[in-house]
Amino acid sequence: DAKTTQPNSMESNEEEPVHLPCNHSTISGTDYIHWYRQLPSQGPEYVIHGLTSNVNNRMASLAIAEDRKSSTLILHRATLRDAAVYYCILRDAGGQGGKLIFGQGTELSVKP
Amino acid sequence: DAGVTQSPTHLIKTRGQHVTLRCSPISGHKSVSWYQQVLGQGPQFIFQYYEKEERGRGNFPDRFSARQFPNYSSELNVNALLLGDSALYLCASRGGGSYEQYFGPGTRLTVT
Repeated sequence: DAKTTQPNSMESNEEEPVHLPCNHSTISGTDYIHWYRQLPSQGPEYVIHGLTSNVNNRMASLAIAEDRKSSTLILHRATLRDAAVYYCILRDAGGQGGKLIFGQGTELSVKP
Repeated sequence: DAGVTQSPTHLIKTRGQHVTLRCSPISGHKSVSWYQQVLGQGPQFIFQYYEKEERGRGNFPDRFSARQFPNYSSELNVNALLLGDSALYLCASRGGGSYEQYFGPGTRLTVT
């Protein structure tokens, strides 16, 4: 399974944009990039995923580098509720859909 | 619709005992995965079941076993508990054709 590298922690101010980076230099052509987040005392929740093109949904945007060796999760206006651990995960399109390999993630704190 | 439910919420067991954890997936979801999350780390994949068959197994000893029932609910069994088995056990379900996994709140197991 290809590995991802994320900063251990980041800080943001409320209502400001947040850019969470992820490096995945060994990504293969069939790997999708997934982001999940885990709020305190809860199970992880899906945020967004993409393959090659940038993606937007109601929660966030995903910007994928042209060579796909890195990606950035963008929260457009951080709220206190966005304080969580954010996980960047590579999932093989041909592999088991139910198997996610989590790393350490980035712990995001949001200051009022 | 109810989300993924897990029972019990908390559990305290003694070393050497056996434990059974239960998971009910979202209605219509046929895939269930189990994860172990030790404090301070990301979740680690244990098992995936789909249509009552094991479709994947993580790097866990044979003391860990699971099964899925005809109604797609699932049980995770752990025998001969060790102190190191103390963790949050997460269950996730996935619908057909979807990449998104939905996680339950987890069962907090403490082994003393």
